[in-house]
This record gives sequence, C-alpha cells and structure tokens, in this order.
Amino acid sequence: DTAVSQTPKYLVTQMGNDKSIKCEQNLGHDTMYWYKQDSKKFLKIMFSYNNKELIINETVPNRFSPKSPDKAHLNLHINSLELGDSAVYFCASSHGDRLSGANVLTFGAGSRLTVL
Amino acid sequence: DQQVKQNSPSLSVQEGRISILNCDYTNSMFDYFLWYKKYPAEGPTFLISISSIKDKNEDGRFTVFLNKSAKHLSLHIVPSQPGDSAVYFCAARASGTYKYIFGTGTRLKVLA
Repeated sequence: DTAVSQTPKYLVTQMGNDKSIKCEQNLGHDTMYWYKQDSKKFLKIMFSYNNKELIINETVPNRFSPKSPDKAHLNLHINSLELGDSAVYFCASSHGDRLSGANVLTFGAGSRLTVL
Repeated sequence: DQQVKQNSPSLSVQEGRISILNCDYTNSMFDYFLWYKKYPAEGPTFLISISSIKDKNEDGRFTVFLNKSAKHLSLHIVPSQPGDSAVYFCAARASGTYKYIFGTGTRLKVLA
C-alpha cells in the first residue's frame, strides 16, 4: 500500500496546455510538499501546506497553483505550460513538530512532465 | 545561492570498502539534517538524520557525522554493497521551519 502516491507518473503535453498532478498520502501526516527536480537534478521546494494552510510558497510562476482539499491530498495545477516546466515533480509529506527533529519527509515516486 | 552543496557529483567504491559522502552548508540557522537515497525512477527514500545538538548518529551500516564549526556533514557507509549504488542527497532545515533545502546529490557506484 503506497504511502505517498502521485498520478500520473508520466505526462507528455504540448506547450500552452493546462495540466494537473495529484498527490495523496495515507500516512496521516499533516504537512505536504511539492518539490521540482529539474534537468540539473536540483531538488527545489515549490510549495508546502500544513493542515490545508499554505505555509511555503517559493518563487514560482503564478501559472503554478497548488490546491489542498484536505490534509491527505495536495494537487498541483499548471497553466499555460512552457518548455522549461519539463521536470520531475515530487510530492512529499511529513508529520511532526517543526521545532523538533521528527519532521522527516516521505516522498512519492515522482511525476515526469515533458512539455513539447 | 545554493545553501547546501555536495561538491562531488560522483563516487566509485569497491564492495566491502567504506563510502564517504560529503555535504557542506552555509546557513548557520540549519539545525536538522537528513540524508536520502534515490534510485532511478523512484522518489528519494529517507536514510538517516542528525540534529545539530549531536555530532554523530549511527544506524546499522550508516553513520552521519556533523561538524558544526565547519558547517560540514558526511555520510559513511560501511561496508558498501552493490545495492547501495544510487544518488545520495543531503538536506538541511532551519529551526522552526518546514523547509528542507536539498543538496545537488552525489551518485555512488559500488563496484562488485
């Protein structure tokens, strides 16, 4: 039973399209994240939600919009896709007090987005 | 500005020997550090962590050392096994935040 699951695993689309990636976790965690791994393999944080509240919003184009309908789900919607959006997007979740050391990330398998 | 750096993009080690992966950071507010292993087409998986109040943490074959004055941490794998071949990422978090900053990764190849 997958702890953090993302769909789709692969997504190929044309420039200008709008697409969504979905993420669900069954770990009972209260914080979820989106990370982007680009062609240089950097893992960069994009967004984070804690109990459905946006707590991290890095410098990301407005075309990216996260949505957290509940604690177990965090979706990523991307409008007007561009070539540079091609990357692997990882969802992650964590649980624990941010003031303690219990806040370890559990990652999904990733969603590879290719924009043509 | 890359706050967490892994200066060795790759490392090859013979099976049975020690693998040492290094990580440097610049932000003195970082107080918690994680190491992750990543196989191709999979998500990163958690290996071991260390808090800034410690200088060493051990879990089986994996040991992480932290040198706060040098802002340096290292992951030791002893003995190395072919199944350890993967990309290893270190990550750091500042106190009171949820934001982990990841290094650029080191590809470890353990030769049989």
